[in-house]
Amino acid sequence: GAVVSQHPSRVICKSGTSVKIECRSLDFQATTMFWYRQFPKQSLMLMATSNEGSKATYEQGVEKDKFLINHASLTLSTLTVTSAHPEDSSFYICSARDGGGALSYNEQFFGPGTRLTVL
Amino acid sequence: KNEVEQSPQNLTAQEGEFITINCSYSVGISALHWLQQHPGGGIVSLFMLSSGKKKHGRLIATINIQEKHSSLHITASHPRDSAVYICAVRGGGADGLTFGKGTHLIIQP
Repeated sequence: GAVVSQHPSRVICKSGTSVKIECRSLDFQATTMFWYRQFPKQSLMLMATSNEGSKATYEQGVEKDKFLINHASLTLSTLTVTSAHPEDSSFYICSARDGGGALSYNEQFFGPGTRLTVL
Repeated sequence: KNEVEQSPQNLTAQEGEFITINCSYSVGISALHWLQQHPGGGIVSLFMLSSGKKKHGRLIATINIQEKHSSLHITASHPRDSAVYICAVRGGGADGLTFGKGTHLIIQP
């Protein structure tokens, strides 16, 4: 099956620093990638939709200047949490959708997630 | 916005029991996903459905589009099935998924 990787799996940083999370599709081209966030004991929430070569679409309430998304290639999207604060501590998960190859168009493949702790 | 409700929220059963987890949603969808999340947080996609029924090993997923309802069944449950099971839907015009709160399943040996 299709594989999506995320790096790093876990990061601890000081308040005010920026953190970059990478999401890669390893064996397929992902024209669309999604970034989700999960706070403890809550459901996953969509943050933004990232389309290769264009600007990301952010969900209501998600600050685009704080959560910078770059989808520069068909296999890589990055999420940068700028000037991170303790309230940004969360579990960040990406998913990727195949761009119309052999995989089902509606299928989403999830990365293993990144646990961010901001001190 | 689609509202996704799962039941039960928590379920503890004995090894070997037949398990059913339910999901209902409020607005028509193009696809429904069943996902499994283990304590470390990683998510595995179990099924994607747009109609009918799918089976994979001991797992069965069904969906009734008219009733806006889906079920996930686990036959001959095993302790390794213990996890959080999440229902997620994709709307016709929306790209990203809307998630239920999950069902925390514990299978006791």
